[in-house]
Amino acid sequence: NAGVMQNPRHLVRRRGQEARLRCSPMKGHSHVYWYRQLPEEGLKFMVYLQKENIIDESGMPKERFSAEFPKEGPSILRIQQVVRGDSAAYFCASSTSGTEVEQYFGPGTRLTVT
Amino acid sequence: GDSVTQMEGPVTLSEEAFLTINCTYTATGYPSLFWYVQYPGEGLQLLLKATKADDKGSNKGFEATYRKETTSFHLEKGSVQVSDSAVYFCARSNDYKLSFGAGTTVTVRA
Repeated sequence: NAGVMQNPRHLVRRRGQEARLRCSPMKGHSHVYWYRQLPEEGLKFMVYLQKENIIDESGMPKERFSAEFPKEGPSILRIQQVVRGDSAAYFCASSTSGTEVEQYFGPGTRLTVT
Repeated sequence: GDSVTQMEGPVTLSEEAFLTINCTYTATGYPSLFWYVQYPGEGLQLLLKATKADDKGSNKGFEATYRKETTSFHLEKGSVQVSDSAVYFCARSNDYKLSFGAGTTVTVRA
C-alpha cells in the first residue's frame, strides 16, 4: 500500500515563475492537508481539502496561492509569481476522515526560489 | 490561538543515553497530542499519540504522557541508538488542524 506521494521532491523556480506541487493521497483517503515548513520552524497548516471541495484555507496566503483536489488526479498546490520568501518545504498529508484521525505525511517538496 | 512550544535543540547524545524533549501546549479545548519524527530527507512519521489526559503513548521505546495539569507532553527514551538521530516534532490537534512545535534536532553519537 503506497504511502502519500508528492512530486517533485525538489523544485527550483526563479522569482516570478509559477510553482505546481502535486500530492497523491494514500489509497482510500479522501481528505488532504497542505502544510508549509519554513527554515528553522515547525510545520504550519495551510489548507484542508476533500474531493472537489476546499474545506478550510485559513492558513493560506490570500494572494498567489491556490489549491485544488479534483475528482480525478492528485491534489495541486499552486504558487503564482513566486518570491524568495516562498522557499520552504511543502508537505501534504492525507487521512480517512477529517476529525481527530491520524494524518499520514508525504516526503515533501522542497521549493527553492532563486 | 493553538500553539505548541518544545525544547530547542540541537541535542547531541551518546548511544544508550537518556533522552528527554520537553513539550507544552496551549490548553484550549480537548486536543489530541502527537510526537512526529522526521528522518533526513523524509517526511514526518507519527511516533506516538495520546488522545486524553493521563494517556501514555509509546512506540519504539519512546514514551510520552498527556499531562493536563501541566499542559505538557514530554518525550522520553531510556536508551537511545544512533538510528534515533532525527528531528522530533510535538503537535496538538484542533479538530483536523495540527499545530506543530519548531522541532528538536537530535543527534546520537556511537
